[in-house]
Amino acid sequence: KAGVTQTPRYLIKTRGQQVTLSCSPISGHRSVSWYQQTPGQGLQFLFEYFSETQRNKGNFPGRFSGRQFSNSRSEMNVSTLELGDSALYLCASSFDSGRSYNEQFFGPGTRLTVL
Amino acid sequence: GNSVTQMEGPVTLSEEAFLTINCTYTATGYPSLFWYVQYPGEGLQLLLKATKADDKGSNKGFEATYRKETTSFHLEKGSVQVSDSAVYFCALSSNTGNQFYFGTGTSLTVIP
Repeated sequence: KAGVTQTPRYLIKTRGQQVTLSCSPISGHRSVSWYQQTPGQGLQFLFEYFSETQRNKGNFPGRFSGRQFSNSRSEMNVSTLELGDSALYLCASSFDSGRSYNEQFFGPGTRLTVL
Repeated sequence: GNSVTQMEGPVTLSEEAFLTINCTYTATGYPSLFWYVQYPGEGLQLLLKATKADDKGSNKGFEATYRKETTSFHLEKGSVQVSDSAVYFCALSSNTGNQFYFGTGTSLTVIP
């Protein structure tokens, strides 16, 4: 089975621009979560989508948004980029069988640099 | 609320030394607990997990036991190798959905 893929792997943008990142989950996985990883804040949860609906949301401003398509692929968008948005953005997918835990499988991440 | 606190790094050990990385958690309900590892330039990989109290997760020589009484899930390995150099994350999954809570990560460097 192919793993979680994220595109692009690297991005350089300037302040004020917007960016869209893409994530393709493992085949059959319906849940996709997004995280921001920075040296100072560690891994912070952005949001989770399940069957095209946002099911959980972290504590990020409205400039961060996402969506999920019917094939479970997900995109996240950041508008009006700020220098502090420079980070590694990780996507994770899980099967979500309804059990009390669901192992998450991570992609390699998209490294976003805002200049 | 849910949160994970793990030992600050970085940690530097000689090859074959004993490793402990402390992790404690706060959670409502009955969470599942995980250790993930991140090698340079890569995403996170699941190292081991435990889904209920007293469960022991193990993989590649690493072990961690889910201790409800001390709300802990410490990672241990008896003899580390240079290839174990990575960042280790403790995490919990709430039982109400698919939301994970991660610790800040502990960087481990093993020197020959």
